[in-house]
Amino acid sequence: RKEVEQDPGPFNVPEGATVAFNCTYSNSASQSFFWYRQDCRKEPKLLMSVYSSGNEDGRFTAQLNRASQYISLLIRDSKLSDSATYLCVVTSSGGRRALTFGSGTRLQVQP
Amino acid sequence: NAGVTQTPKFQVLKTGQSMTLQCAQDMNHEYMSWYRQDPGMGLRLIHYSVGAGITDQGEVPNGYNVSRSTTEDFPLRLLSAAPSQTSVYFCASSDIWTVDGYTFGSGTRLTVV
Repeated sequence: RKEVEQDPGPFNVPEGATVAFNCTYSNSASQSFFWYRQDCRKEPKLLMSVYSSGNEDGRFTAQLNRASQYISLLIRDSKLSDSATYLCVVTSSGGRRALTFGSGTRLQVQP
Repeated sequence: NAGVTQTPKFQVLKTGQSMTLQCAQDMNHEYMSWYRQDPGMGLRLIHYSVGAGITDQGEVPNGYNVSRSTTEDFPLRLLSAAPSQTSVYFCASSDIWTVDGYTFGSGTRLTVV
């Protein structure tokens, strides 16, 4: 079983739609959680951190459920520019600080 | 700020050749790491370092060496390239005392023939 699992998609949605991605992680000791965005053939870039209380950044809302080991990302009012692959990322406990990446969920927003 | 700089951007090697992928950061980050990204597999950790003189293995270290003689530089060496090492390589760095995410370099696309 992969440490971080995501639905690879693709999710094809029209502009203006609301879309949600889910992610599960297997290591209950994971301490930090992130969503990264990766455009085709580019490096991953931090989209937002994910906190237990949930957090919002404009059209993006992230949620963490530690009991179920589940992370979500909600995108409202999708734009064409949101088309990308979204990577769910967790860190392990201790000093290693290594990031463990999911394989990513591809989003294609259509006009 | 340059952030994280990787060179070269593209490289083609013949099986058995060696080479070094360069990574430099100008943010005074203690933590640096190397990942490889293959289709459908996400990014996998090769080696990482928590400071000058300290390195450790990640998930897929075989065939790669690293060293960290300065805070700024973290080169990745391929000792004897194999076709299985064809991949996109990303270097990343972060401040070890924060819980923020990493800053990635733009990647090196390596093909081994």
